[in-house]
Amino acid sequence: QVTLKESGPALVKPTQTLTLTCTFSGFSLNTFGLRVSWVRQPPGKALEWLARIDWDNDKFYNTPLKTRLTISKDTSKSQVVLTMTNVDPVDTATYHCARMSSSWFFDYWGQGTLVTVSS
Amino acid sequence: QSVLTQPPSVSGAPGQRVTISCTGSSSNIGADYDVHWYQHIPGTAPKLLIYDNNNRPSGVPDRFSGSKSGTSASLAITGLQAEDEADYYCQSYDSRLSVSYVFGTGTRVSVL
Repeated sequence: QVTLKESGPALVKPTQTLTLTCTFSGFSLNTFGLRVSWVRQPPGKALEWLARIDWDNDKFYNTPLKTRLTISKDTSKSQVVLTMTNVDPVDTATYHCARMSSSWFFDYWGQGTLVTVSS
Repeated sequence: QSVLTQPPSVSGAPGQRVTISCTGSSSNIGADYDVHWYQHIPGTAPKLLIYDNNNRPSGVPDRFSGSKSGTSASLAITGLQAEDEADYYCQSYDSRLSVSYVFGTGTRVSVL
């Protein structure tokens, strides 16, 4: 059974760095062809893809956010970590991690964690 | 802003058929990238409903079906049930940027 769960702070101040962790089970990110992405959804708005890390440690980022994002994995802990620097209130959103067994879609998702950026 | 446009809401009585449209452009759906659909009940994990335009993952009822034509795609729900009340999102890929997954604006399905 594949599960993913996001964790991180519920509240961060503007200009701070946000660190989110995705802890998963039911698969290994060492397995050929598997990937994990981060997707966020601001309140009342649409989903937005942020970043992806592959089984071979290739990394890809949403271009407008690329300079602020870093994605990494710890295979031994079954975790993927996303850091976002210099956060702003517009970064307030529910952040989901999702597994990809194909390059093209997200087959399992976590329920998400709400992050509010406010002073 | 979203690259793929969906109607904000659709509704139907139990047992009826509803469809949700997803309109893109020549850089995503029209560029022959596949469309995928997700069901999301707020507070829970989104669920993959349809992949590669018209394929259902194991466990998804055959009441759900997808299609794609030109720069648009559609999700149909037949035999609408109360448990289908949720938000639905289409997703594809956009070739304008390197590695760019794009989502629809989302559609709330209400069962009357």
